[in-house]
Amino acid sequence: EPEVTQTPSHQVTQMGQEVILRCVPISNHLYFYWYRQILGQKVEFLVSFYNNEISEKSEIFDDQFSVERPDGSNFTLKIRSTKLEDSAMYFCASSDADSPLHFGNGTRLTVT
Amino acid sequence: AQSVTQLDSHVSVSEGTPVLLRCNYSSSYSPSLFWYVQHPNKGLQLLLKYTSAATLVKGINGFEAEFKKSETSFHLTKPSAHMSDAAEYFCVVRPWSSYKLIFGSGTRLLVRP
Repeated sequence: EPEVTQTPSHQVTQMGQEVILRCVPISNHLYFYWYRQILGQKVEFLVSFYNNEISEKSEIFDDQFSVERPDGSNFTLKIRSTKLEDSAMYFCASSDADSPLHFGNGTRLTVT
Repeated sequence: AQSVTQLDSHVSVSEGTPVLLRCNYSSSYSPSLFWYVQHPNKGLQLLLKYTSAATLVKGINGFEAEFKKSETSFHLTKPSAHMSDAAEYFCVVRPWSSYKLIFGSGTRLLVRP
């Protein structure tokens, strides 16, 4: 069965640095998403992306964050000037129009 | 505003006994409802979904859930727990005309031998 793949599985960065989290969605899917789960808290929606633009975003997704689909297969989340509170598990997901979301295994981001 | 409440943060059952994980939702219109499972160090796997067809939904691994509009509930059940069912379970709602999923806080299922 096709899978959403995320790299790296674990990223450690220093406060103030920029990180890029990478995702390869399922190949025939057209909708892409990022969610995050801070340790001990709920899984939270960050952003959805369709037709090369953001279709919906949460209040968490401020100017510190950006998403990009640089080619036909990758979907990235960039976090600029990371803060301690950005430490979380970040999940990428993809879907087609009416299907449930398929999630990757996540990238655990640790900001020190 | 749409929301999901999972009534139990932890549920412990013995292997071979029934599982009941409770979920209540709040939504203005007919939502889509899902249960996802997360095993340790793994991603979120879809167990089942409800999208306004049959109210009793069957999923993978013997799980099923019943949509009860009058009670705004979508409880997850399984007749007989297996050790491999130990994981965290999330009840999720997708509001009508929205792309985003709203997650409950999760229920950690422990299965005792």
